[in-house]
Amino acid sequence: NAGVTQTPKFRVLKTGQSMTLLCAQDMNHEYMYWYRQDPGMGLRLIHYSVGEGTTAKGEVPDGYNVSRLKKQNFLLGLESAAPSQTSVYFCASSTGTGVHEQYFGPGTRLTVT
Amino acid sequence: AQSVSQHNHHVILSEAASLELGCNYSYGGTVNLFWYVQYPGQHLQLLLKYFSGDPLVKGIKGFEAEFIKSKFSFNLRKPSVQWSDTAEYFCAVNGGNNRLAFGKGNQVVVIP
Repeated sequence: NAGVTQTPKFRVLKTGQSMTLLCAQDMNHEYMYWYRQDPGMGLRLIHYSVGEGTTAKGEVPDGYNVSRLKKQNFLLGLESAAPSQTSVYFCASSTGTGVHEQYFGPGTRLTVT
Repeated sequence: AQSVSQHNHHVILSEAASLELGCNYSYGGTVNLFWYVQYPGQHLQLLLKYFSGDPLVKGIKGFEAEFIKSKFSFNLRKPSVQWSDTAEYFCAVNGGNNRLAFGKGNQVVVIP
C-alpha cells in the first residue's frame, strides 16, 4: 500500500494564479484532511471531509476550496493564490472510528510570489 | 473547542541526555492523545498514542508519554536521546469530533 500520496511535491505560483493539490489514499479511509504548516504555527486545519461527497471548514478555510468526489481522493484548490498561502500543505486520512489516528502524506511545498 | 499547548519550542541537547517535552490540552471530556514526529524534510509519523488504560504509554524508538488527567497533560520523554532524534515533535488531541488539534511543536536538536 502506498498510504497517503500527494501531488505535486513542489510548486511555485504567481499571485493570482490558481492550482489544485491532489491527495489520494488507498486505505479505504472515510475521513480526509488538509492542513497547512507554517514555522512556529504547528499544523492548522484548512478543510476536512467525513465521507465521499462531504466537506467541512476547518480552522483556516479562507482562500481555499475542496472537493471529495471519490472516497480515495481529496482535492484542495486555490482559486487566486496569495503570498500568504506560501506554506507546506499536508493531507491526512483516518478511519473515522476508534482512536482517530491520522496518517499523513509527504506534503506539498507551495511558494506564491 | 479543544486546544493544545507545547512549551520550550526550541530544545538543544547533547546525545545521551534525557528529553522531556511538555504538552497540555484543554478539553473537559474523554480525549485521545497523540505525539507525532517530523524528521527534517519528511512528513508526520506517529510516535505514540493514548486512548484508554495504562496512562504510561510506550511508543517507537524508546519514547514514552504519561497521561495525567488531573493536570490535562501528556508529556513525552526519552531517557537517552540520539542524534537521529533531531526532529520536530507535535502533540495532538482528539476530543471526539473527528478532528485533531495540534500544538505548535517542539524543535529538538541533538548535538553529537
